[in-house]
Formats: sequence, C-alpha cells, structure tokens
Amino acid sequence: AQSVAQPEDQVNVAEGNPLTVKCTYSVSGNPYLFWYVQYPNRGLQFLLKYITGDNLVKGSYGFEAEFNKSQTSFHLKKPSALVSDSALYFCAVSGSNDYKLSFGAGTTVTVRA
Amino acid sequence: DAMVIQNPRYQVTQFGKPVTLSCSQTLNHNVMYWYQQKSSQAPKLLFHYYDKDFNNEADTPDNFQSRRPNTSFCFLDIRSPGLGDAAMYLCATSRGEGQGRQPQHFGDGTRLSIL
Repeated sequence: AQSVAQPEDQVNVAEGNPLTVKCTYSVSGNPYLFWYVQYPNRGLQFLLKYITGDNLVKGSYGFEAEFNKSQTSFHLKKPSALVSDSALYFCAVSGSNDYKLSFGAGTTVTVRA
Repeated sequence: DAMVIQNPRYQVTQFGKPVTLSCSQTLNHNVMYWYQQKSSQAPKLLFHYYDKDFNNEADTPDNFQSRRPNTSFCFLDIRSPGLGDAAMYLCATSRGEGQGRQPQHFGDGTRLSIL
C-alpha cells in the first residue's frame, strides 16, 4: 500500500520569505511523487513531479521540490513566497503499476503581506 | 487551450432526486477519473476509466454510477442523493502510457448541494 503524510495542517509565512511544505511518503518500489495546488472553488493544479533522475525538481510558479530517498521525503519549496501562493497544497504518490494517486491530507498555506 | 471542463459548476438537487454531473476533455487522454472532495479534505477516488474499461473503488457506494460514451466525455450519476453526498466532485484525466508516471489534469469541479 502507498501513502503520503503532510505533517502540517497549516503553514504561515510572510511575503518574500522562503516557503516549505513538508511531505513524506511510503510506497513499495520506486515512488512517483507529485505536488498539486488548489485555490478556493477550483480544481487541483499540477505543480511538479518526481519520476527519476535529479533529486531537485523544478515546477510551475517558481516552486521546486527535493526528493530524499533516505528520508522518504519530497518537500515543496519556494525561495520567496507571494501572497498569491496562499492556497491548499497536496502531495501525492503513485506506484509504478498503478494509475491511482494517494493524496496527503493537504496543507493550507497563508502568505501574509 | 486543451482542458478538462465540468458542467455545471454548481448543482442543487433534492434529497433522493437523481442527478448527473458531466465532464469533457480536449486532451485526448485515455484515463478519466471521478473524485469526491469534502471540506478541503483530500480528494477521494470514486472510480476511473481506462478507455472503456471501468474500475470501481471498493468503497464507492452503489448509489454512484458512471458512464463514458466516448473518449471525450464522462458522466457521474448519483441515483438517490443523500445529505452526505453534498461535496465537490472533481473530474481528472491522464495519459495512459507510463501508468503512474503521468500527472492528472483536473477540472474545476462541480459543487453539489442537497436540499
């Protein structure tokens, strides 16, 4: 079985400060890891994914994520947060033989001006 | 722009009155998914299609059915909605090749209210 944990329900940062949203995963075999963002009354938007290769993955809107196999983590980062980054963020994992995504519980990010 | 479109965005129905939600895609993706999302929780997968092959999740209530008449369209039918079925329903698509490697592309959802 595959699963994802997002240990923080909420993350609050000031605009211009670095933003980190944490994610750890559990999966048999090689993990395929994803980050999605959801704005109010909208669907989920794909930000980035890790399949294989470089541990640092760059995605949309200036976000990046670092895959750490030894710590089974895939934390989302942004060097300088914007107020418009305030949203709900989901980490998700799928296995190599499955279409299905297992989502974390989500982390609400609030960036204050 | 290629996208996943859900109609309507907001749907109100009465307790026990059948309702159908629709999803269309211009991405020509093989796989289509239906999720239920409540109160900013993680989306819960109800079922998915790979082309015409239907895959139901074990804990999806029998009250929920789906149809995929062609590649572009997929429908979610709720035969007798209960108050607990009030939620956001999200449709998503992905390419079939590579299985779990492909990101899913989501529509903006239909928010269903039950009176």
